[in-house]
Amino acid sequence: ILNVEQSPQSLHVQEGDSTNFTCSFPSSNFYALHWYRWETAKSPEALFVMTLNGDEKKKGRISATLNTKEGYSYLYIKGSQPEDSATYLCAFETGRRALTFGSGTRLQVQP
Amino acid sequence: EAQVTQNPRYLITVTGKKLTVTCSQNMNHEYMSWYRQDPGLGLRQIYYSMNVEVTDKGDVPEGYKVSRKEKRNFPLILESPSPNQTSLYFCASGGRDAVDTQYFGPGTRLTVL
Repeated sequence: ILNVEQSPQSLHVQEGDSTNFTCSFPSSNFYALHWYRWETAKSPEALFVMTLNGDEKKKGRISATLNTKEGYSYLYIKGSQPEDSATYLCAFETGRRALTFGSGTRLQVQP
Repeated sequence: EAQVTQNPRYLITVTGKKLTVTCSQNMNHEYMSWYRQDPGLGLRQIYYSMNVEVTDKGDVPEGYKVSRKEKRNFPLILESPSPNQTSLYFCASGGRDAVDTQYFGPGTRLTVL
């Protein structure tokens, strides 16, 4: 069973704070690392798919980095806004396109 | 609009009564998959399909069946549901390659009494 861990489990920040989360995954048999944003009662929304060591992706105020050799990825949110409140999931992909998800980091941004 | 749809969105049923949750995608994706989400356990894959008539077990396939007769549809079948299958179910679809995004449906919340 693949072990994908995310930390912290939850995070409360004030509007305007910048924050970051960690996703740890196996460093062998790596195909891709996915980040999703998941709001309650909605479907997970894809943020990034990262495949190459050293990859950096950016979407607005959200960015992510990838280190496949040591098995971790960071997700950064710059200047958090209340609408960023959600659970952020990372998922490690194996060759059969199966995604093994971490338990997520729940972010709450206070106005 | 590109999307993955699931029906029903909510279902309450009783032990042993066969049910089917439908999943359909309009993006011509070859890959489709079912996941269940349980508190503290994250999303776990039930079954997946790499193409029409090609299906395979994921991490938690017991008690479930699937079929892929058409590219766009991937129904999840519970022949004899049990209370431990009470969960939130997601269908997903994507291209065949690791660089391809996987898109999730809106989820089906199933309660088995």
